[in-house]
Amino acid sequence: EVQLVESGGGLVQPGRSLRLSCAASGFTFDDYAMHWVRQAPGKGLEWVSGISWNSGSIGYADSVKGRFTISRDNAKNSLYLQMNSLRAEDTALYYCAKDPWIQLSFIGFGHFDYWGQGTLVTVSS
Amino acid sequence: QSVLTQPPSASGTPGQRVTISCSGSSSNIGSNYVYWYQQLPGTAPKLLIYRNNQRPSGVPDRFSGSKSGTSASLAISGLRSEDEADYYCAAWDDSLSGHVFGGGTKLTVL
Repeated sequence: EVQLVESGGGLVQPGRSLRLSCAASGFTFDDYAMHWVRQAPGKGLEWVSGISWNSGSIGYADSVKGRFTISRDNAKNSLYLQMNSLRAEDTALYYCAKDPWIQLSFIGFGHFDYWGQGTLVTVSS
Repeated sequence: QSVLTQPPSASGTPGQRVTISCSGSSSNIGSNYVYWYQQLPGTAPKLLIYRNNQRPSGVPDRFSGSKSGTSASLAISGLRSEDEADYYCAAWDDSLSGHVFGGGTKLTVL
């Protein structure tokens, strides 16, 4: 059974940093692209970032480009999101999501077939 | 303001057929696949339709997707109370180099 468990969320002041983690199990992690998708309270879904199986294709939403960095450790079956210079508008539930296509070379060809339950990030002074 | 445009709400009675529209542009829906996600209250989104009209295993055939030009639609037939949820369309946008979502449609089963 595919399981994605996010962690690392919490309350942080504007301008500070936070690192989210996603622990994956139930599938061969290093074969699949992974993504972060967020949802502000009461709002819709927003794709944040994605990374291919071998880290060769990485993308970011314009709203986080230059501030957030996605990475993965295939040996640890883990996905990360380093978030710097956080703003109030980054407040959201952050979901980790798996791509269904094996060894996808370009993140734009994929989508999201399994989602974690999310970790809440609140940016406030 | 979302890149893909959906109606904020839709409704129907049990057994009825409802459709939810999703409008985009040549850089997203017009040149890439469309996906649909269902989000039940208080839960994570679930993949409903992929590559315009394909259903993952386990998704009832009451759900169907279609695409024409720069627009797409999700149809739900034989509406049930458990279909009450938020529905989101999504696609890759070549100009933005990112995945984009619609603003979501809240479906109410009357």
